[in-house]
Amino acid sequence: DIQMTQSPSSLSASVGDRVTITCRASQFINDILNWFQQKPGKAPNLLIYAASSLQSGVPSRFSGSRSGTDFTLTISGLQPEDFATYYCQQSYSTPQTFGQGTKVEIK
Amino acid sequence: QVQLQESGPGLVKPSETLSLTCTVSGGSISSYYWSWIRQPPGKGLEWIGYIYDSGNTNYNPSLKSRVTISVDTSKNQLSLKLSSVTAADTAVYYCARGCSATSCFLPPFWGQGTLVTVSS
Repeated sequence: DIQMTQSPSSLSASVGDRVTITCRASQFINDILNWFQQKPGKAPNLLIYAASSLQSGVPSRFSGSRSGTDFTLTISGLQPEDFATYYCQQSYSTPQTFGQGTKVEIK
Repeated sequence: QVQLQESGPGLVKPSETLSLTCTVSGGSISSYYWSWIRQPPGKGLEWIGYIYDSGNTNYNPSLKSRVTISVDTSKNQLSLKLSSVTAADTAVYYCARGCSATSCFLPPFWGQGTLVTVSS
């Protein structure tokens, strides 16, 4: 199985901050990597697909990038509505696997 | 825009079989990979398995002995059956559309999920 090691598991940040979340894949997954945002009681909401493609309707402050097997989600200018839990998902090979999640909290 | 809606019993007794349906609207069920994913309360996400082209299935080894995923193309529905459930199977269950026949560089689409509680 491909392990997705997501870090940090939680972080505290202020409105306006730049936030970076990382997922490291245990092996090559090409760009087949998605990022989701999840708020309590809601389904995960797709932010980024194919490592760096912004999903339609998602604010441009969200961006994704890849360096080898390291994937990064960046929020440039954190907004109040961005406080949530974020997950990465690889669908390059089965079983598909998710990162453990990063909870972004208000400082 | 494709939409997915999960449905099924919200309460299942231990040792019984959990059965869920996902109805797909706004697009064909053909030529895509369709997955089921679950999330226990307060925990992370777990991929259960997928089906492609009605007969091609792939299951998470952790659940493989208990899972069956099938498709009814005439109804544009996919289904999940999980047998011999225990309290550990209590979760929100999501269906999702993934790769197409020719590309995985596509946005996935997820349903809103349905909570299934295993309890007597």
